[in-house]
Amino acid sequence: DSGVTQTPKHLITATGQRVTLRCSPRSGDLSVYWYQQSLDQGLQFLIHYYNGEERAKGNILERFSAQQFPDLHSELNLSSLELGDSALYFCASSLADRLNYGYTFGSGTRLTVV
Amino acid sequence: SQQGEEDPQALSIQEGENATMNCSYKTSINNLQWYRQNSGRGLVHLILIRSNEREKHSGRLRVTLDTSKKSSSLLITASRAADTASYFCATDGSFGNEKLTFGTGTRLTIIP
Repeated sequence: DSGVTQTPKHLITATGQRVTLRCSPRSGDLSVYWYQQSLDQGLQFLIHYYNGEERAKGNILERFSAQQFPDLHSELNLSSLELGDSALYFCASSLADRLNYGYTFGSGTRLTVV
Repeated sequence: SQQGEEDPQALSIQEGENATMNCSYKTSINNLQWYRQNSGRGLVHLILIRSNEREKHSGRLRVTLDTSKKSSSLLITASRAADTASYFCATDGSFGNEKLTFGTGTRLTIIP
């Protein structure tokens, strides 16, 4: 157990639907990062939150949104789902705002859009 | 887009042999990290090397960094079946940007 908790582990949903992925960072970590991993695109950075504030955005579609709550857990919302959104979605957390430490990854949510 | 490119894409070796993976990146960095991913699982941080370091060791792992060539290598000595996994290098930006950009990964298979 890495200390980063992601739920659900698996999700199967239909095209056009909306889902919410949840992440609880490791105790004490203020930064949360979301990544998408697919076979053809590899690991793609989506978004970073630090202590409730959005810090950086990557290749995140407009159909996707995220937030970090006061208790530091984060949610990634995916809407109007398409077949191509099928992927592993990882959350990672780190201690510091500036990147001098490694990330701790959760075990991921496998999203299948049918 | 990928910052790092690992080479080779796949590597199969006999148990007990050493495994070497290489990573090339494009822009200046503050540090470079290596991660391991077992099939379908989360990534595990292995080692971090800063831009002013040339070599770092951790157990059976040895990482080198050549900033002039924008490349790094990961050496796993005395490989074990449990080392079978994908290995990724990851880089931040030269100012310690707050996100890591991952390479394409090397799939390592250890043959018992």
